Amino acid sequence: EAGVAQSPRYKIIEKRQSVAFWCNPISGHATLYWYQQILGQGPKLLIQFQNNGVVDDSQLPKDRFSAERLKGVDSTLKIQPAKLEDSAVYLCASSFDRGDTEAFFGQGTRLTVV
Amino acid sequence: AQKVTQAQTEISVVEKEDVTLDCVYETRDTTYYLFWYKQPPSGELVFLIRRNSFDEQNEISGRYSWNFQKSTSSFNFTITASQVVDSAVYFCALSTYGNEKLTFGTGTRLTIIP
Repeated sequence: EAGVAQSPRYKIIEKRQSVAFWCNPISGHATLYWYQQILGQGPKLLIQFQNNGVVDDSQLPKDRFSAERLKGVDSTLKIQPAKLEDSAVYLCASSFDRGDTEAFFGQGTRLTVV
Repeated sequence: AQKVTQAQTEISVVEKEDVTLDCVYETRDTTYYLFWYKQPPSGELVFLIRRNSFDEQNEISGRYSWNFQKSTSSFNFTITASQVVDSAVYFCALSTYGNEKLTFGTGTRLTIIP
């Protein structure tokens, strides 16, 4: 079974530029999560999707971050404009359905904002 | 609000020694789940175990064992006869019933010295 795929693995951009990350969850998984992991910290949930609907985006900085999962499968997370403090690893995870608390994580995208 | 504390930032032990990683949690919910994840240098979070709040039985899986004590709100993880491949960052996490969001601790970096 293929795992959660993310791209790119690494990205370096200048502040005020925009960037997008892509995630393809495990086939058949209805629930998709984006987490932000700042160096030295544990991951923090940014947004949770159930199919193509948003379940929780309470910690997403909506003035600069956006995410979509239009067809209920893959998802993109965008930052526009980026700030220095957005430097982090962005992890995508998926689970079979809500209530299934075993989430599978991708390898993440390491973003450096300079 | 949920909180997970991993007081040990870094631990180094010599190969074959036993090591225990501590985790203390806070939640007002009576039904919750506790997790341990391993994050190797490659970056993905690897699921190790999930316990629900009604099951305080300790669990052993090979060289890994977990001690769950509700009285002290702790969920500690022990690796017996450590190996170099155990070197990674280990995260303890918490979710509550009906809310799949994982609240992570800050992680413990474990280094096994050959």
